[in-house]
Amino acid sequence: DTAVSQTPKYLVTQMGNDKSIKCEQNLGHDTMYWYKQDSKKFLKIMFSYNNKELIINETVPNRFSPKSPDKAHLNLHINSLELGDSAVYFCASSGGDSYGYTFGSGTRLTVV
Amino acid sequence: AQSVSQHNHHVILSEAASLELGCNYSYGGTVNLFWYVQYPGQHLQLLLKYFSGDPLVKGIKGFEAEFIKSKFSFNLRKPSVQWSDTAEYFCAVRAGNMLTFGGGTRLMVKP
Repeated sequence: DTAVSQTPKYLVTQMGNDKSIKCEQNLGHDTMYWYKQDSKKFLKIMFSYNNKELIINETVPNRFSPKSPDKAHLNLHINSLELGDSAVYFCASSGGDSYGYTFGSGTRLTVV
Repeated sequence: AQSVSQHNHHVILSEAASLELGCNYSYGGTVNLFWYVQYPGQHLQLLLKYFSGDPLVKGIKGFEAEFIKSKFSFNLRKPSVQWSDTAEYFCAVRAGNMLTFGGGTRLMVKP
């Protein structure tokens, strides 16, 4: 059973398109995150939701919109994709202060 | 806001050499500390973590790290590396709800 699963694993799309990445965790964690890893492997947090409420929203273009229908899911929708959005996007979840983070396998987004 | 620095960006070692990767953070309050490894083309895997107690933490695959509070450091060590340790290593610090990563260290182990 995959603890944090993301779909799709790979996504190739043209500039200007709108796309979504889905994330689901079966760990019962309250908090979920989206991280972006750029071509230099730098990992930066984008969003965090705790029990369906947005708690962290870093300086991310408003073309990126997270949606959490329930605490086990955190989806990422991206409008008007740009070349610079090409990266690997990781979803993660955490059970609280005494717990670590579990990461999904990543979604490699390529905008052409 | 906290920040995390990994001073070694690229490290090349021969098999059986000893490894130490530096990690320093800036945050004055209580933190949790992590080291993650990312093998080529794969996702992040937890190597070890420090929450409290013994500042010398042992993780998987023979890795360990030492938390030195006075130096705001959490360096990763392994006495004898293997070719299969070739990967990217990330130090991370959690303060509150925020997990912040260092820039990563790319380790290459030559057979």
